Amino acid sequence: EAGVAQSPRYKIIEKRQSVAFWCNPISGHATLYWYQQILGQGPKLLIQFQNNGVVDDSQLPKDRFSAERLKGVDSTLKIQPAKLEDSAVYLCASSLQTGSLAEQFFGPGTRLTVL
Amino acid sequence: AQSVTQLGSHVSVSEGALVLLRCNYSSSVPPYLFWYVQYPNQGLQLLLKYTSAATLVKGINGFEAEFKKSETSFHLTKPSAHMSDAAEYFCAVSGAPGNTGKLIFGQGTTLQVKP
Repeated sequence: EAGVAQSPRYKIIEKRQSVAFWCNPISGHATLYWYQQILGQGPKLLIQFQNNGVVDDSQLPKDRFSAERLKGVDSTLKIQPAKLEDSAVYLCASSLQTGSLAEQFFGPGTRLTVL
Repeated sequence: AQSVTQLGSHVSVSEGALVLLRCNYSSSVPPYLFWYVQYPNQGLQLLLKYTSAATLVKGINGFEAEFKKSETSFHLTKPSAHMSDAAEYFCAVSGAPGNTGKLIFGQGTTLQVKP
């Protein structure tokens, strides 16, 4: 079974530029999560989708971050414009369903460096 | 609100020695608790989870954790460390009202295993 795929793996941009990350979840997984992991910290949930609907985006900085999950499969996370403090690893995860007992499977992440 | 505190950002043990990684949680509802491992440049992998069944939970790679409600703890142990256990370990809590599956992570503990 293929795991969660993410691209690119690494991205370096200058502040005020825009950037987009892509995630392909495990086939059949209805729930998709984007986490931000800043160096030295644990992952923090940015947004959670159930199929193509948003379940939780309470910690997404909506003035600069946006995310979509077209057709309830792949997802993209965009930052525009980027700030220095956005430097982090962005992890995508998916689970078969929503709920605390649903195991989340994580992709390898995209490491973003903002100069 | 829910939170997790991992005591000790770095733990160093000798190969063959006991591994003990500490996690304390705060939750206003009965929690679900998780331990994840993250190897360099990889995503998070679930080690084990507590879901209100047995208080002693056994996971993969010889790890186990014990849920102690009176101490609000969920410490991770392994009787004998192996070089391959060197990684970063995250404790996480879920079970918040609404049961969306959102994970709240601790800041992580880096485990070093010395030969």
